[in-house]
Amino acid sequence: AQRVTQPEKLLSVFKGAPVELKCNYSYSGSPELFWYVQYSRQRLQLLLRHISRESIKGFTADLNKGETSFHLKKPFAQEEDSAMYYCALLGGTSYGKLTFGQGTILTVHP
Amino acid sequence: EADIYQTPRYLVIGTGKKITLECSQTMGHDKMYWYQQDPGMELHLIHYSYGVNSTEKGDLSSESTVSRIRTEHFPLTLESARPSHTSQYLCASSDDLAGTEQYFGPGTRLTVT
Repeated sequence: AQRVTQPEKLLSVFKGAPVELKCNYSYSGSPELFWYVQYSRQRLQLLLRHISRESIKGFTADLNKGETSFHLKKPFAQEEDSAMYYCALLGGTSYGKLTFGQGTILTVHP
Repeated sequence: EADIYQTPRYLVIGTGKKITLECSQTMGHDKMYWYQQDPGMELHLIHYSYGVNSTEKGDLSSESTVSRIRTEHFPLTLESARPSHTSQYLCASSDDLAGTEQYFGPGTRLTVT
């Protein structure tokens, strides 16, 4: 069975500080991993996916198969980064079914 | 404009009532999903559909039912609402390619009294 774990429910940093949101997964095959974000009063939306290897809004995430992790990082946090972040796993099928982690609420203080 | 819509946005209803949560998308997507999310918790897939006349139960057991008679429409029905059904329900859609982005609706917050 596939599983996604985000160990931190809450994460607080100050503006300009580095931030790392942790995500670990459990899956026997070759996973596809995503980070979704929900800003206040907005819909859940895709932030980035590991296959794209892109940086979105200054965030990057690297898939580490050895550690089964997909941590989200940003070197200098901004107040507008405050949101709920979900790590999600697509379990190697074409069905499109995502398994979500519990979510991390990131608060960036001025 | 291509979008995914959910109505109502908020619903407070008494125990035993039948309710239908509406979800429509104008994105031309074949795949649609329903998730249940308690406040501050993870999303759990309760139903999904690959296309017209295709519906499957998700990972979380739910007493709700769904139908997919038209590509753009994926309503969720509770025949007899109970307080345990109080939650947020999110509808999403994606195109037919593997691993593509899911687009989410604004959600329906249901409270059963």
